[in-house]
Amino acid sequence: DIQVTQSPSSLLASLGERVTITCQTSQSISNNLNWYQQKPGQAPMLLIYYATSLQTGMPSRFSGQYSGRSFTLTITSLEPEDIANYFCLQHYSAPHTFGAGTKLELK
Amino acid sequence: EVQLQESGPGLVKPSQSLSLTCSVTGYSITSNYWGWIRKFPGNKMEWMGYISYSGSTSYNPSLKSRISITRDTSKNQFFLQLNSVTTEDTATYYCARYRTSGYGAWGQGVMVTVSS
Repeated sequence: DIQVTQSPSSLLASLGERVTITCQTSQSISNNLNWYQQKPGQAPMLLIYYATSLQTGMPSRFSGQYSGRSFTLTITSLEPEDIANYFCLQHYSAPHTFGAGTKLELK
Repeated sequence: EVQLQESGPGLVKPSQSLSLTCSVTGYSITSNYWGWIRKFPGNKMEWMGYISYSGSTSYNPSLKSRISITRDTSKNQFFLQLNSVTTEDTATYYCARYRTSGYGAWGQGVMVTVSS
């Protein structure tokens, strides 16, 4: 199985701050990684697909980058509605595997 | 717009089988792949498996002996059966559509507790 290591597990940030979350995979997965936002009691919402492509309808302050096996989700300027849990998912090979999640909270 | 909705019992006894239904509207399950994913208390997530547009399946090896995913194309539904459940199967279960770009559409999830 491909292991996905996500960091940090929790993050305190201020409104307007730049936020970065990282996932590292144990093997090369090309760009087959998604980023999701999930709020309590809600379904996960796709933010980024193919590591760098912004899902239609998602705010442009969200962006994804990758280099090799390291993948990054960036929020350029934190908004109140961004407070949520974020996780990554690799779907390069089965079993598809997830990062452990990052809980983003307001400082 | 595709919509998915999970349904099934919220409480299952240990050693019994967990059976869930995912009802899909706005898109035919004879296209793409349709998966089950679960989220444990504490937020760890696990991919359980999926069924393809043709009815073939792929399962997580960690579950392979206990899991079955089937479908009813006439009702546009697919199903999860997990046998011999234990308290460790307590989780929120999601169904989702899988395409080459990943899982873009999810159901709201159904919480299942395994307890006597």
